[in-house]
Amino acid sequence: DVKVTQSSRYLVKRTGEKVFLECVQDMDHENMFWYRQDPGLGLRLIYFSYDVKMKEKGDIPEGYSVSREKKERFSLILESASTNQTSMYLCASRQPTGANTEAFFGQGTRLTVV
Amino acid sequence: KQEVTQIPAALSVPEGENLVLNCSFTDSAIYNLQWFRQDPGKGLTSLLLIQSSQREQTSGRLNASLDKSSGRSTLYIAASQPGDSATYLCAVSGGSYIPTFGRGTSLIVHP
Repeated sequence: DVKVTQSSRYLVKRTGEKVFLECVQDMDHENMFWYRQDPGLGLRLIYFSYDVKMKEKGDIPEGYSVSREKKERFSLILESASTNQTSMYLCASRQPTGANTEAFFGQGTRLTVV
Repeated sequence: KQEVTQIPAALSVPEGENLVLNCSFTDSAIYNLQWFRQDPGKGLTSLLLIQSSQREQTSGRLNASLDKSSGRSTLYIAASQPGDSATYLCAVSGGSYIPTFGRGTSLIVHP
C-alpha cells in the first residue's frame, strides 16, 4: 500500500516561530502537493512539486515556502507563523502517468498558532 | 480556472437508503476524477478513480460515474450504513495533474 506520512498529527506553535511540516511518501511518486483545509473554504493548494528540487506556487503561497531535496520528502515551511495560518495541512503524492494515477494523502497535521 | 461544485453540501438519511452525491466541474478537459472520503480530523482516503476515457468505476457498494462532456460525476452509495458517515470529496485533475477539490458533501447515516 502507498503510504504518505506526515511528521505530526498536532502542532502548537507561537506567533513568529519558523515551522517545518514534513511529508514522506514511499512509492517513488514524482508529484507532491501541500494543501490547507479550512471550514467553508475546502482544500486550497499552497505549493506543489513535479520532481526533486522543482517547486511551483499554488493558489495561496504567501507566507509559505517548500523544500524538496529528495524525491520522497516534501517539506512545508512557515517562515514566521501567524495566527491566520492555524489550519489543517494535508500532503499528497501521485504518479502523474502510468497504470495508477491516484492521489494519496497523509493523515493531516492540525496546526494551531497562538 | 477549474471550479468544482458538490451538491448537496450536507445530507442526513436513515440507514439502508441508496444515495447519490453529485459533483460538477467547469472545464471538461480533465485527465481524471477521484472520489475521497474524509472522517473528522483525519486525512483523505481514496475511494474511486475514474480516468477521462472511462464512464464508471465500482468498488463494493460504491459506484462512480463520469460524464465528461457535461462536466458531471455522481457517487452512488448502495444500502447506506452508519459507518458511511463522513465527508465525501470530489477532485478533478487536468493536464497539470493537480487535483482541484470541491467543498464536499457531509453525510450522516443514522440507525
